[in-house]
Amino acid sequence: IAGITQAPTSQILAAGRRMTLRCTQDMRHNAMYWYRQDLGLGLRLIHYSNTAGTTGKGEVPDGYSVSRANTDDFPLTLASAVPSQTSVYFCASSDGTSGADTQYFGPGTRLTVL
Amino acid sequence: GQNIDQPTEMTATEGAIVQINCTYQTSGFNGLFWYQQHAGEAPTFLSYNVLDGLEEKGRFSSFLSRSKGYSYLLLKELQMKDSASYLCAVRDNDYKLSFGAGTTVTVRA
Repeated sequence: IAGITQAPTSQILAAGRRMTLRCTQDMRHNAMYWYRQDLGLGLRLIHYSNTAGTTGKGEVPDGYSVSRANTDDFPLTLASAVPSQTSVYFCASSDGTSGADTQYFGPGTRLTVL
Repeated sequence: GQNIDQPTEMTATEGAIVQINCTYQTSGFNGLFWYQQHAGEAPTFLSYNVLDGLEEKGRFSSFLSRSKGYSYLLLKELQMKDSASYLCAVRDNDYKLSFGAGTTVTVRA
């Protein structure tokens, strides 16, 4: 059972460079999410998608973009990375229908922008 | 928006009980979640409360009072492997989660 995979595991990036973080789930979940986690701030929602073909902005969307061309993939792009985007990025997915609708998290990508 | 508060750190002895409190102020409420996160790993789901009261799952229990904007996670018979961060998260009416900063629990022998 793969669940959610993220790539790369870690990356060091020069400021100003473009970077795409990949996220793939095999659970056929409708909803997918991108969070960043910074020390002392907890997980903050960047962008989300309730279903393939739709996306929405979370709490901290500036500097990031997403697309949801199909159910399984939800890439996050940093068009021009800045040092404040140094963080651990988690992708998550959920069935998105009702009830507990638990979110399941990928292993994370540790990104350092210099 | 959501404002979620939980203690930063707690320390307890192996075999003991620890209670992690979470208070929240929300513009909409559609459930409260607790996640466990070991250092360097992804958060994993522990519990979900949407109605007032206690939900028990093995050594872990979670309580919710919606009128007080309050929840707690109770960890019983602590084991060394319970050393982790515990994240309180509130779901709004759009099914989006807002997380507290997390409580790091250290279990000592």
